[in-house]
Amino acid sequence: DQQVKQNSPSLSVQEGRISILNCDYTNSMFDYFLWYKKYPAEGPTFLISISSIKDKNEDGRFTVFLNKSAKHLSLHIVPSQPGDSAVYFCAASEGKLTFGKGITLSVRP
Amino acid sequence: ETGVTQSPTHLIKTRGQQVTLRCSSQSGHNTVSWYQQALGQGPQFIFQYYREEENGRGNFPPRFSGLQFPNYSSELNVNALELDDSALYLCASTRPGTYEQYFGPGTRLTVT
Repeated sequence: DQQVKQNSPSLSVQEGRISILNCDYTNSMFDYFLWYKKYPAEGPTFLISISSIKDKNEDGRFTVFLNKSAKHLSLHIVPSQPGDSAVYFCAASEGKLTFGKGITLSVRP
Repeated sequence: ETGVTQSPTHLIKTRGQQVTLRCSSQSGHNTVSWYQQALGQGPQFIFQYYREEENGRGNFPPRFSGLQFPNYSSELNVNALELDDSALYLCASTRPGTYEQYFGPGTRLTVT
């Protein structure tokens, strides 16, 4: 039973445009959500997080939106850059982290 | 500030053998978690250690065990290795006062 779902396995975006990565969860006990970026042969790198008491958090080009009633969060990257090409994981916390399967983002020059 | 480090980088073992993986947490981080990442999957939580005590465990059998030392470094031990144990093993330390976990580069374990 997957508690954190990233339903799209891949996304391709033109450089300079917006990338929107989506994530859904089922466990209403999750109280904190995080996004990680992973390059091949490296560990995941923390990007941005949001507490369940907020609906938006912004850090530079990255913004995370949380819709608790829909149990949905999204990561917006604006503008997208070729260096953003990587696998992105959504994770939810109730002490331990539960990860989605990841989405591969490709940013085309 | 040194990040999370793991050793070894790669390891090949035979089914039935035992393996020990090591992790040094980021300076000042007293909580360490271990994850298993199979190909095409997200990391799966194995267990977490806080101040040398196990502080939560995922759905892994008892042949997966761990230790945390007074300097907050940690070991993951796996006994009676099975082919399905082949995966990337990730260690993460938690920034105090937050839920943010910072990962090491991982150990790639191959069981033949």
